[in-house]
Amino acid sequence: KAGVTQTPRYLIKTRGQQVTLSCSPISGHRSVSWYQQTPGQGLQFLFEYFSETQRNKGNFPGRFSGRQFSNSRSEMNVSTLELGDSALYLCASSLEALYEQYFGPGTRLTVT
Amino acid sequence: QKEVEQDPGPLSVPEGAIVSLNCTYSNSAFQYFMWYRQYSRKGPELLMYTYSSGNKEDGRFTAQVDKSSKYISLFIRDSQPSDSATYLCAFFPRGRRALTFGSGTRLQVQP
Repeated sequence: KAGVTQTPRYLIKTRGQQVTLSCSPISGHRSVSWYQQTPGQGLQFLFEYFSETQRNKGNFPGRFSGRQFSNSRSEMNVSTLELGDSALYLCASSLEALYEQYFGPGTRLTVT
Repeated sequence: QKEVEQDPGPLSVPEGAIVSLNCTYSNSAFQYFMWYRQYSRKGPELLMYTYSSGNKEDGRFTAQVDKSSKYISLFIRDSQPSDSATYLCAFFPRGRRALTFGSGTRLQVQP
C-alpha cells in the first residue's frame, strides 16, 4: 500500500508571497492532519480534516488555511509569507483513530 | 510548565547497548501514548502506541507507561547503527483531536 505523499518536497518563496502544499493520504484514510516542524518549536499541530470538514485547528494565524477534497486529498495554503514560516510542513493520515497517524515525507519551505 | 518534557540529547551509545528514552507529561487528559522515529530529512514513523499503564513489546522495542507518575519510556534492545535517529514521544488527549509531541531525543548508535 502506498504511503502518504506530499508535493512539492522543497519550495523556496519570498516574503509576502503565498504557497499551496498538497497531501495525498494513504488509500482509504479519511482523516488528514497538518503539522509544522521547526528546530525551535518542534512539531506543532495546524489543523485536521475529515470527510472535507475541518474538525480541529491549532494556534496559528488565519494566514494558514486548508481544505480537503472528496477523494481525501488535502491542501494547505499560507498567504503573505513571513520569514518565520520557514519550516518542514508535514501531513499525516489516519483511518479514524488519530493516535495512529502515518506521516508523509514533508515539504520543506524556505522563505527568503 | 511545558505539557511534555523530553531531553533533546544527543544520546550516544555503542552498538548492542540497551537504550532508554523518556518523556514526562503534565496533562492528565492524555489517553494514548505514542513513539515516533524520525530520520534526517524524513517524516516521523510511528513505532508503537499504547493506551494503558504497563509495558508493550514489539521486537527490539518496549514501550512503558506509568500514568501515576506521568512518565513514558521507550527501550531499544541490541541497538543498531540504523537506529540512529530522532525519537519523538507523542500524546493523544481525551476531548481534543490533535497530537501533542515532545521535542525529540537525538540518538546516535556508534558501530
